[in-house]
Amino acid sequence: ELKVEQNPLFLSMQEGKNYTIYCNYSTTSDRLYWYRQDPGKSLESLFVLLSNGAVKQEGRLMASLDTKARLSTLHITAAVHDLSATYFCAVVGDKIIFGKGTRLHILP
Amino acid sequence: EAGVVQSPRYKIIEKKQPVAFWCNPISGHNTLYWYRQNLGQGPELLIRYENEEAVDDSQLPKDRFSAERLKGVDSTLKIQPAELGDSAVYLCASSPRQGSIWGTEAFFGQGTRLTVV
Repeated sequence: ELKVEQNPLFLSMQEGKNYTIYCNYSTTSDRLYWYRQDPGKSLESLFVLLSNGAVKQEGRLMASLDTKARLSTLHITAAVHDLSATYFCAVVGDKIIFGKGTRLHILP
Repeated sequence: EAGVVQSPRYKIIEKKQPVAFWCNPISGHNTLYWYRQNLGQGPELLIRYENEEAVDDSQLPKDRFSAERLKGVDSTLKIQPAELGDSAVYLCASSPRQGSIWGTEAFFGQGTRLTVV
C-alpha cells in the first residue's frame, strides 16, 4: 500500500530565508505532484514531476524528484509572505495518495 | 475555460439527514475523483470514475455513501444518513485520463464544506 509522508508538517520562517519541504513515499512511482492550498480554498497545481531527476522551478519554488530514493523536495528560496499556505505532495500509484500537508507560515 | 464546478459551496445539516453534492468536471476530462478532506489533513480518495465506470471505490463507505456519474460527465455524491463524523470538505477533481503518459495532474473544484450538527 502506498504511503506518503511529508515533513515538516508545520513550518514558520522569516521572510528572506530558504527552506525545504520533504515528501517521502513507500512504493515505486514515477509521478508526483505538488499542490498549494490557501485557507478555505481548493488545491492549486504547482508542479508535475514525471521522471527520476525531474526538476521544475517557478519563481521562488523549485521541486525535484528522486524516484530511487522515493523522495521529492520542494525548495523555497528567499521566502516572501505571499508563499504562506499549505503545500501537499501527491504520489501516483494505483491511485493518487496525498501527504498530510506542510503548513507554511512566513513571517514578515 | 471553466474549471471544475461544485455545488453547493456550503451545507449545514442535522445528523441522520441526507445530503447530496454535485460536480461538473472540466469538459473533455474522462477521469473524475471525489475526495474528502478533514480539517488539517490531506485529501483522501473516496471514488474514482473513468467515464461512467467507478474503477476505484474501495475507500467509499458504502453503507451510507453512494455516487453516480451518469453519461460520464456530471457526478453526484450522496450521504444518507449523515453522521457527525462526516463533517469535512468534499472535493471533486478531474483529469484528462488517469493512465495518460503525459501524467496530467488532477484539477480540483472549490469543494463543498459540509457541517453535520
